[in-house]
Amino acid sequence: AQSVTQPDIHITVSEGASLELRCNYSYGATPYLFWYVQSPGQGLQLLLKYFSGDTLVQGIKGFEAEFKRSQSSFNLRKPSVHWSDAAEYFCATSSGNTGKLIFGQGTTLQVKP
Amino acid sequence: NAGVTQTPKFQVLKTGQSMTLQCAQDMNHEYMSWYRQDPGMGLRLIHYSVGAGITDQGEVPNGYNVSRSTTEDFPLRLLSAAPSQTSVYFCASSYSRGASGNTIYFGEGSWLTVV
Repeated sequence: AQSVTQPDIHITVSEGASLELRCNYSYGATPYLFWYVQSPGQGLQLLLKYFSGDTLVQGIKGFEAEFKRSQSSFNLRKPSVHWSDAAEYFCATSSGNTGKLIFGQGTTLQVKP
Repeated sequence: NAGVTQTPKFQVLKTGQSMTLQCAQDMNHEYMSWYRQDPGMGLRLIHYSVGAGITDQGEVPNGYNVSRSTTEDFPLRLLSAAPSQTSVYFCASSYSRGASGNTIYFGEGSWLTVV
């Protein structure tokens, strides 16, 4: 069965530092992969998505993610974190051809001044 | 999250009460779904629908009912609320069954507390 694992429950980085959030997936075929962000008390906003093609995906707010089939990973990166990036981040994959999303447990990002 | 509207945003229920969370989208999306979000567990699929008149269970369907009489609306019903249903609920929609090339849009969430 498909699954997504986000190994880091909580990450703290200093403002201006680089960021990498980890995501590992389990799926036999090429998965559809997504990163969503949720600010406190808010809904989910799509940062980026990967379906096929170029394995380095650019998203909104300066985020990017790289699909690595050999490592079953889809890590999210940002070169310089801003205080407004503090939020919870979810990696997700879609279940086959149904459009259903399977989410990881989420990673809470705290940004230190 | 333009296009997917959830109501109410906040609700407090007593154990045993019933209520309906409303979800509507104006994008003519075939696919709609309901998730619940609990700390440390991400979002889990409750029910989903691939078109009007068609619904199916997700990962955590117990205690919830859904129907899809129109393309636009996908209400989630709690028939007899339990404290374990205290959660944040999200409705989502997309153009087609497959996520390929299509963005899945989320509503802003409904915070439900059962006391």
